[in-house]
Amino acid sequence: AQSVTQLGSHVSVSEGALVLLRCNYSSSVPPYLFWYVQYPNQGLQLLLKYTSAATLVKGINGFEAEFKKSETSFHLTKPSAHMSDAAEYFCAVRGSGNTPLVFGKGTRLSVIA
Amino acid sequence: DAGVIQSPRHEVTEMGQEVTLRCKPISGHNSLFWYRQTMMRGLELLIYFNNNVPIDDSGMPEDRFSAKMPNASFSTLKIQPSEPRDSAVYFCASSGVISGYNEQFFGPGTRLTVL
Repeated sequence: AQSVTQLGSHVSVSEGALVLLRCNYSSSVPPYLFWYVQYPNQGLQLLLKYTSAATLVKGINGFEAEFKKSETSFHLTKPSAHMSDAAEYFCAVRGSGNTPLVFGKGTRLSVIA
Repeated sequence: DAGVIQSPRHEVTEMGQEVTLRCKPISGHNSLFWYRQTMMRGLELLIYFNNNVPIDDSGMPEDRFSAKMPNASFSTLKIQPSEPRDSAVYFCASSGVISGYNEQFFGPGTRLTVL
């Protein structure tokens, strides 16, 4: 079974500051990990994914995440926040094969001018 | 590609009425997922299909909920009778062997309000 814990339901940063959204996972099998972003009244858009290749994964909009097996973490970072990054971010995990995603509760990112 | 299409985008109904949500997956995708999003429970899987066959419906909350996938390009989620606690955003997602199932593409969701 898999599960995801996102630390912090709401994170607020200043424009230009570092963004760090935390995700820890639990999985009984080698995990596939994902970060999705949801803008208001929209569906979920994939930011990036870890599929057992490189541990440092680069995604869209300048985001990246590092898979750390020893820490069971997959934190999302962006060096410099932009106002347009304000949204809800979801970390998700699944096992191998074509199985459903298990989502964390989400972290709402606010960017202050 | 048009992406995953869901209809309606918004649905307001009264308690006891039947509600049908519709989803058209991306062409060529053979897996389809229905998720529900609420403030209390977040995003949770309701049911998913592989090759039009339901694989896991353990997330379907009650017998009031049913889902079908009569062909590779269409799925429905039905609630009968609806209750106020069913109010949520319902997402449909699809994935396929083309991408190694490494991404699920989400539709825009149906926002359901049951009065």
